[in-house]
Amino acid sequence: QKEVEQNSGPLSVPEGAIASLNCTYSDRVSQSFFWYRQYSGKSPELIMSIYSNGDKEDGRFTAQLNKASQYVSLLIRDSQPSDSATYLCARKGNTPLVFGKGTRLSVIA
Amino acid sequence: NAGVMQNPRHLVRRRGQEARLRCSPMKGHSHVYWYRQLPEEGLKFMVYLQKENIIDESGMPKERFSAEFPKEGPSILRIQQVVRGDSAAYFCASSPTTSTSSGNTIYFGEGSWLTVV
Repeated sequence: QKEVEQNSGPLSVPEGAIASLNCTYSDRVSQSFFWYRQYSGKSPELIMSIYSNGDKEDGRFTAQLNKASQYVSLLIRDSQPSDSATYLCARKGNTPLVFGKGTRLSVIA
Repeated sequence: NAGVMQNPRHLVRRRGQEARLRCSPMKGHSHVYWYRQLPEEGLKFMVYLQKENIIDESGMPKERFSAEFPKEGPSILRIQQVVRGDSAAYFCASSPTTSTSSGNTIYFGEGSWLTVV
């Protein structure tokens, strides 16, 4: 049973649109959730963390967490071609971070 | 404030040789994590260490792989008798010593790309 599931994509959105990235997890003890961005050939870069149910906004990014549904998402508003990357969802409970395989996002100019 | 430092960035080894990857955590961080990323795959947890202690090695292959984080110096991930399947990106990450919620965040180094020929 996979612990963190993401649609591998690619997800293609036009420039300026909202990109919606989704993630589900199976471990009910997970407490913290993270979104990382990874450009090809580069290391993961932390975008946002979220610990409580609801929305958390940071600039063009909004993370949403629903612990009852075991669901976390990332919205990117006004998507830019520079947002094209793989987005990794991760959860942390009693173990170190467990990552999904990531969703490839392509923003078309 | 320097980030997580990894070296070498790229390493080529012949089958059967040893690969040794080094990681210096961010200043003030005493928790180190090693992850492996195979081509087109996600990040897989390998091992979690604190100074002189292995906390969780549940992701480490049973043979040929070992890790340490000595009292002085960087953390080292050692792969003995490498095989072609070991070719991957190996990422080190570190986190602060505090137990606050922000202490759960880990920060990655630039990675070490191992190629076994």
